[in-house]
Amino acid sequence: DAGITQSPRHKVTETGTPVTLRCHQTENHRYMYWYRQDPGHGLRLIHYSYGVKDTDKGEVSDGYSVSRSKTEDFLLTLESATSSQTSVYFCAARGGAVRNEQFFGPGTRLTVL
Amino acid sequence: EDQVTQSPEALRLQEGESSSLNCSYTVSGLRGLFWYRQDPGKGPEFLFTLYSAGEEKEKERLKATLTKKESFLHITAPKPEDSATYLCAVQAEDSNSGYALNFGKGTSLLVTP
Repeated sequence: DAGITQSPRHKVTETGTPVTLRCHQTENHRYMYWYRQDPGHGLRLIHYSYGVKDTDKGEVSDGYSVSRSKTEDFLLTLESATSSQTSVYFCAARGGAVRNEQFFGPGTRLTVL
Repeated sequence: EDQVTQSPEALRLQEGESSSLNCSYTVSGLRGLFWYRQDPGKGPEFLFTLYSAGEEKEKERLKATLTKKESFLHITAPKPEDSATYLCAVQAEDSNSGYALNFGKGTSLLVTP
């Protein structure tokens, strides 16, 4: 695995509150991703990063922003949380051109009341 | 637009009863097709990547195959510990999302003793 950890693992917050989720990897992978997983949907891409300070939007990016100031850390921020952002959030890292596998973290369960 | 459809949505097997899960896909150009296993409350665990039609990969009781339109995950003589949700995902060749994966909704497998 890519040694991916996520924090917090669980969070309950209120509508309108800013929330930041953290993803940390120990394998120096260039590409990192944030996905969300909801019942009735497959995992959906929120944002991704292809290097330090290099990020781009995914399929469901509205209401989310990301930052990557170091190779090992990728942060996902909900500027003003809404109930529709209640979900399980997964971070992933890509093992490189030769090792094309994407490895996932354990997830963060976020509930917005 | 890339699409991934998994069937069945849920499958219940007796221990030792072999079966197959299906993943049909449409993508402009396939870079890779991925299979993951996901246990409740955990992140997806990488199983296989297939790159070209005719390719096969095996791991214990699991065997993944690939054609130009679909992939099968064959489970031979399953055990209760094989119970999980199995996810299929495609990676497009001309990906403009940093090689992110496009996931199906998964097949929930239950193997009873």
